[in-house]
Amino acid sequence: LAKTTQPISMDSYEGQEVNITCSHNNIATNDYITWYQQFPSQGPRFIIQGYKTKVTNEVASLFIPADRKSSTLSLPRVSLSDTAVYYCLVGDPPGTGGFKTIFGAGTRLFVKA
Amino acid sequence: GAGVSQSPRYKVAKRGQDVALRCDPISGHVSLFWYQQALGQGPEFLTYFQNEAQLDKSGLPSDRFFAERPEGSVSTLKIQRTQQEDSAVYLCASSQSGQGNYGYTFGSGTRLTVV
Repeated sequence: LAKTTQPISMDSYEGQEVNITCSHNNIATNDYITWYQQFPSQGPRFIIQGYKTKVTNEVASLFIPADRKSSTLSLPRVSLSDTAVYYCLVGDPPGTGGFKTIFGAGTRLFVKA
Repeated sequence: GAGVSQSPRYKVAKRGQDVALRCDPISGHVSLFWYQQALGQGPEFLTYFQNEAQLDKSGLPSDRFFAERPEGSVSTLKIQRTQQEDSAVYLCASSQSGQGNYGYTFGSGTRLTVV
């Protein structure tokens, strides 16, 4: 399984754009990249998933360069409620056998007023 | 149901006691996963079911841990003779199988404290 490396923590201010980069040098051809968000006392919540180039949804954007050895989660105009831990995962598409997806320690984002 | 439901929300067990943690996945979700999350750490994989079949249990830390999903819906994680190192949040997640672009949906977890 491809191992991921993320910054341990990041600080930001309300209204700023936050970019969290994840390194996954050993990503396999079939691997997808998935990001989750976790608030205290809750389970992780799916944010976005992609395979290559750029993916955008109502919450975030995911940028994946051509070599796919890294990816960047972009959160536009963060608010205090975006303070959470963000996990980058690499593995088979969920539900098709990627049951050993490795979460790692994640990135603790702290948004200040 | 609308989400993944786990019970109890909190459990305090005396060392040596057996505990059973329940997970109600989203209706129709074929895949079910259990994770263990220690304080300040990311979730760690324990075991995986596809319907009633336990396809992988390599993450279970010892033979004191046992999981089942007899009818392919509700799952129970049982821990026998609990030890202090078992204290953690136990998360259950489910997903639709074969739907490559869907992520896991997690429950809020059961926080187990062994005293």
